[in-house]
Amino acid sequence: AQSVTQLDSQVPVFEEAPVELRCNYSSSVSVYLFWYVQYPNQGLQLLLKYLSGSTLVKGINGFEAEFNKSQTSFHLRKPSVHISDTAEYFCAVTGALAGRRALTFGSGTRLQVQP
Amino acid sequence: EAQVTQNPRYLITVTGKKLTVTCSQNMNHEYMSWYRQDPGLGLRQIYYSMNVEVTDKGDVPEGYKVSRKEKRNFPLILESPSPNQTSLYFCASSPPGLLSYEQYFGPGTRLTVT
Repeated sequence: AQSVTQLDSQVPVFEEAPVELRCNYSSSVSVYLFWYVQYPNQGLQLLLKYLSGSTLVKGINGFEAEFNKSQTSFHLRKPSVHISDTAEYFCAVTGALAGRRALTFGSGTRLQVQP
Repeated sequence: EAQVTQNPRYLITVTGKKLTVTCSQNMNHEYMSWYRQDPGLGLRQIYYSMNVEVTDKGDVPEGYKVSRKEKRNFPLILESPSPNQTSLYFCASSPPGLLSYEQYFGPGTRLTVT
C-alpha cells in the first residue's frame, strides 16, 4: 500500500517570492513520483516526474523538486512565483511494480499568489 | 493535437437514471483509467484498462462499470447513480513501456446527482 501526504492545504505567497510545497509519501516498494498542477476548471497537467537517476528534477514553468529517499519526501519548489502560478498542486506516487499504474494522489495544496 | 477528451463536461441527473460518460484519446495509448476527485481526498482511481478487453477495479469501483472495446475509447457507466457519486471525474491515458507511468488527463466531467 502507498500513501501521499501534502502537509499544507493552502499556501499564500506574494508574487516574486520563493515557494515550497511539501509532499511526503509512504510505500513498501520503489516508487515513481509526480507533481501535477490543476488550474481552475481544467484537468491535471504534469509538472514534473521522478523515475530514477538524479534526485533533483526540473519541470515546466520553472518548478523543480527533490526526491529524498531517506525522508520519503518530494517537495516542490520555485524560486520566484508569478500570479499565473495560482492553482492547485497535487503530489502523486505509483509503485514501480504496480501493474495497474494507479496514481495515489495527495489531497492537494492550493497555491495563492498575491500581488 | 494529442489529447484526452471527455463528454459531457457537465451533467446534472437524478438518482437511478443510467448515464454514460465518454472518454477518448488519440495518442494510441494502451492504458486508460478513470478517477474521481472529491474535496480533501485528491483523486482516487475507479477502474483502469491495460488494453482492449482488459479492465480491472481500482480503489473505488462500487457503483461504476467500464468497457474497453476499442483502444481509443473507455466509457464510464453509472447504471443507477446515487447522490454520493456527485463528483468531478477524470479520464487518463498512459503510453506503453516500463517507464511510462505518467498519465495524461482529460478536462474533467462534473457530475451532480440529485
